[in-house]
Amino acid sequence: DSGVTQTPKHLITATGQRVTLRCSPRSGDLSVYWYQQSLDQGLQFLIQYYNGEERAKGNILERFSAQQFPDLHSELNLSSLELGDSALYFCASSRSGSNQPQHFGDGTRLSIL
Amino acid sequence: AQTVTQSQPEMSVQEAETVTLSCTYDTSESDYYLFWYKQPPSRQMILVIRQEAYKQQNATENRFSVNFQKAAKSFSLKISDSQLGDAAMYFCAYRSASYWDDKIIFGKGTRLHILP
Repeated sequence: DSGVTQTPKHLITATGQRVTLRCSPRSGDLSVYWYQQSLDQGLQFLIQYYNGEERAKGNILERFSAQQFPDLHSELNLSSLELGDSALYFCASSRSGSNQPQHFGDGTRLSIL
Repeated sequence: AQTVTQSQPEMSVQEAETVTLSCTYDTSESDYYLFWYKQPPSRQMILVIRQEAYKQQNATENRFSVNFQKAAKSFSLKISDSQLGDAAMYFCAYRSASYWDDKIIFGKGTRLHILP
């Protein structure tokens, strides 16, 4: 158990819909990272938050947004969903400092029908 | 931009034998971290081993060891005494030591099959 909690584990929805994925980091971790794992693109970094502030952005679509709340949990919002958004979405957390390892949650499997 | 390349999409090894997974990376940075992650069928991302670029000594974790060649930008994973539970997708990954850019960049992965 990594200590990072992601909900829900599975999500099935239709094209055009909007969903919210939730992540609770390990106790004491200030950084939260979101990654997308799809069959054709592999594992890709989406966005990072540190103590409530956006710190780094990767290949995140404009239809996607995220935030980190004062209690440090984070949400990834995906809107106007397309078939290609079907993927496994991972959240990871770490303590401050790049020498600190990132601990991954179990992921949310998103299926778009 | 940094890149990570795993040239072996799939590999097979006999149980109890040794196998080496290859990884090369490209970066202009001098300080960084390299990782091998394991993703079993359960889809969890499990950290197998980690190497700091400033350390010349190769990291070792029980049956797992790396061969880190900084000049060649090569970072291979050796699994000794392979076990059935080692069957998984293995990802090589890079992380900058920069305070402002510590995202992880993953390779495409190598699927490892263990033959009984």
